[in-house]
Amino acid sequence: GENVEQHPSTLSVQEGDSAVIKCTYSDSASNYFPWYKQELGKRPQLIIDIRSNVGEKKDQRIAVTLNKTAKHFSLHITETQPEDSAVYFCAERFGGSNYKLTFGKGTLLTVNP
Amino acid sequence: GAVVSQHPSWVICKSGTSVKIECRSLDFQATTMFWYRQFPKQSLMLMATSNEGSKATYEQGVEKDKFLINHASLTLSTLTVTSAHPEDSSFYICSALRGDEQYFGPGTRLTVT
Repeated sequence: GENVEQHPSTLSVQEGDSAVIKCTYSDSASNYFPWYKQELGKRPQLIIDIRSNVGEKKDQRIAVTLNKTAKHFSLHITETQPEDSAVYFCAERFGGSNYKLTFGKGTLLTVNP
Repeated sequence: GAVVSQHPSWVICKSGTSVKIECRSLDFQATTMFWYRQFPKQSLMLMATSNEGSKATYEQGVEKDKFLINHASLTLSTLTVTSAHPEDSSFYICSALRGDEQYFGPGTRLTVT
């Protein structure tokens, strides 16, 4: 639970297109994978999360998929809107970590109108 | 529900002085709170885990004598940056644990001149 890699670092899409951000982790004991949206100077906001006993979760335009075998999880945003522009962080938590989160380096998403 | 506040939202201090940042859970009790530091265009880095009624647990590389944490009640944790230097200038964010989810405060922008 000490390392999570996030790609890409920047992503620019046209309004209405889809955006996909991917994270990989190293600890097979990781069991909780949240995604946060952070606007400049603001707090991170949880937008969706997935636990290790589920392969996919969807909430309106946002979905997260988890591949435990390959140790990666992805955020999918469909029908992007300019207000989706922000920095997105993935995170992971492994069992026995006392609920500590390890964050990815973030992806700056820009949705062009 | 699950609102977390921080005070102050921003502070400017002179090099060598100390500054205290408060993190409060407004509508729930939090045995555990976390303190993060975020430099511009970077990710959230966990500094320490604050436990009510006991000593904080610091992450590797974080000086416990420089970043003093006190969690004296179930709704308040404080972070004191002692003998601040310009390199301590950063965005400090706390979170409070409710159930197994972290709820983030709005952050405190510290500038050391």
